[in-house]
Amino acid sequence: SAVISQKPSRDICQRGTSLTIQCQVDSQVTMMFWYRQQPGQSLTLIATANQGSEATYESGFVIDKFPISRPNLTFSTLTVSNMSPEDSSIYLCSVGTSGIATQYFGPGTRLTVL
Amino acid sequence: QKEVEQNSGPLSVPEGAIASLNCTYSDRGSQSFFWYRQYSGKSPELIMSIYSNGDKEDGRFTAQLNKASQYVSLLIRDSQPSDSATYLCAVNEGAAGNKLTFGGGTRVLVKP
Repeated sequence: SAVISQKPSRDICQRGTSLTIQCQVDSQVTMMFWYRQQPGQSLTLIATANQGSEATYESGFVIDKFPISRPNLTFSTLTVSNMSPEDSSIYLCSVGTSGIATQYFGPGTRLTVL
Repeated sequence: QKEVEQNSGPLSVPEGAIASLNCTYSDRGSQSFFWYRQYSGKSPELIMSIYSNGDKEDGRFTAQLNKASQYVSLLIRDSQPSDSATYLCAVNEGAAGNKLTFGGGTRVLVKP
């Protein structure tokens, strides 16, 4: 399977600021996703990152709060904008192949908002 | 709203015993089913996938699928302390969907 890296691995931010998380894959992948895992909770899909077009957001998530870029088939970014303490979570990217549901996860970014 | 349900646990299992984890799902169109293992502070790791009714074995792990009952399970044989983790059930959306819906996870504790 592909090797997935995320930067930063963790960060502590002040409320009202924004953080951009990077996801890099060592091979081209057709599908990339962004998830949030709140403390003690399971994974919630934020959006599907689409190469060359706007991301597809799930209910409850909006582009103004979580802008996503995917300039090519190996890289994507997720920005958490105007952060509040409620945004403190682990943010995970995952990758897959179109037509196959299997997903593999990156190591995650642990975000704490003060 | 598509749902995936798991008992949160903890499921306490003596070392060497069989751990049995269960998962039910609401989307009758789902065709792909996955079990992920997540250690504390780590990201989910895929351990099993199953697509057809019946059993699928991989080492000490056996996944069981019953689409008629909308039920998927995971058996861990000869449980080891290193199996102590949260196990997440994931189900794809629709017949050919790439998106996954995750259950809340079952925490497993294997006691020496």
